[in-house]
Amino acid sequence: GQQLNQSPQSMFIQEGEDVSMNCTSSSIFNTWLWYKQDPGEGPVLLIALYKAGELTSNGRLTAQFGITRKDSFLNISASIPSDVGIYFCAGPSVLDSNYQLIWGAGTKLIIKP
Amino acid sequence: DSGVTQTPKHLITATGQRVTLRCSPRSGDLSVYWYQQSLDQGLQFLIQYYNGEERAKGNILERFSAQQFPDLHSELNLSSLELGDSALYFCASSVSGQGLGGYTFGSGTRLTVV
Repeated sequence: GQQLNQSPQSMFIQEGEDVSMNCTSSSIFNTWLWYKQDPGEGPVLLIALYKAGELTSNGRLTAQFGITRKDSFLNISASIPSDVGIYFCAGPSVLDSNYQLIWGAGTKLIIKP
Repeated sequence: DSGVTQTPKHLITATGQRVTLRCSPRSGDLSVYWYQQSLDQGLQFLIQYYNGEERAKGNILERFSAQQFPDLHSELNLSSLELGDSALYFCASSVSGQGLGGYTFGSGTRLTVV
């Protein structure tokens, strides 16, 4: 089946720093979704990407749909304490008639005190 | 508030017991998905219901079962509980039976088995 590999697994950053994380697959996806999970809460959809090469912003967040359709990137500019949490990428499986979401393992963002 | 309601928020129970987790999907959503998230782990898909019918099954143990009722709320039943079943259980919903537009998640039920 399809798999998504997310990196890095975790990141320690200083407040104010820019952050980059990515999600890759050996097979293509037609949609990429980026979710954020705050501690003890459910994931919330941040950005959805539907077209290869697409670049979409949501405030300080910017995500890109890779032109090969096998990867996606999420950037956070000028990080603040409330950016702490786990960021998941996800994509509907093209091998599944239900287009079940395939999930990355997540990138945990921690702000250094 | 995402519109997906899960109850209870916390549950503590003993090994061997049985519990029921409840989920009300967002208004207008016909599909319900159940996920399990163990400590510092990713999201493990358990099962999906669409308009009352089971649509897809993931890594759901035989001790676990679920159903979706005519009013579209869903229940996840966990029986013969083991310590390893301690986890966050999330319910998510979507309008269609497909994941193309993503899912909306509830706040989860934290299950602790002692």
